[in-house]
Amino acid sequence: ETGVTQTPRHLVMGMTNKKSLKCEQHLGHNAMYWYKQSAKKPLELMFVYSLEERVENNSVPSRFSPECPNSSHLFLHLHTLQPEDSALYLCASSQDNRNTGELFFGEGSRLTVL
Amino acid sequence: GNSVTQMEGPVTLSEEAFLTINCTYTATGYPSLFWYVQYPGEGLQLLLKATKADDKGSNKGFEATYRKETTSFHLEKGSVQVSDSAVYFCALSQSTNAGKSTFGDGTTLTVKP
Repeated sequence: ETGVTQTPRHLVMGMTNKKSLKCEQHLGHNAMYWYKQSAKKPLELMFVYSLEERVENNSVPSRFSPECPNSSHLFLHLHTLQPEDSALYLCASSQDNRNTGELFFGEGSRLTVL
Repeated sequence: GNSVTQMEGPVTLSEEAFLTINCTYTATGYPSLFWYVQYPGEGLQLLLKATKADDKGSNKGFEATYRKETTSFHLEKGSVQVSDSAVYFCALSQSTNAGKSTFGDGTTLTVKP
């Protein structure tokens, strides 16, 4: 148990669906992150939030829309995705976004786009 | 920019064998260095870390020493177990590069009984 909880763990959706991934951290951290992990590719940073403000958007397509309503919760809203978006989506948190310390990861949401 | 290069896998070892996974990095200044481990079906979790040159991080029998002169942070374990089978990621972070940890590509380790 890392203190970062992601739901759902598995999601199958069609290309026209709209769904959301949820992340919650119980560590009192101020920074939260979305990463994408695809087979045979390096880990990709998607978004960084610090104190609920987006500080990094790593050239992610607009069909991925993040939301951070407070420092404990992070969402990734998904719409009109493509099959190549199928991947493991990992949420992480850290003490702050100066990132001098470790990242705490959730177990991931395995997304399959049909 | 920053980069991390780690040994390509997959690595297959017999139980009780010695493990080394090489990791070298490129960064300006003095980054913090990490090894993360990802067990099947799970997210990444911190295995060990070192924040300054010559520091040795250790956990669960794994060790890695921060070598500034060779820009390396190689992971070692003297006697691996089947339960060590996982993907291992070397990573660095810097306060000057806020929010952006740099990860290696990961090395898959399989330990056979």
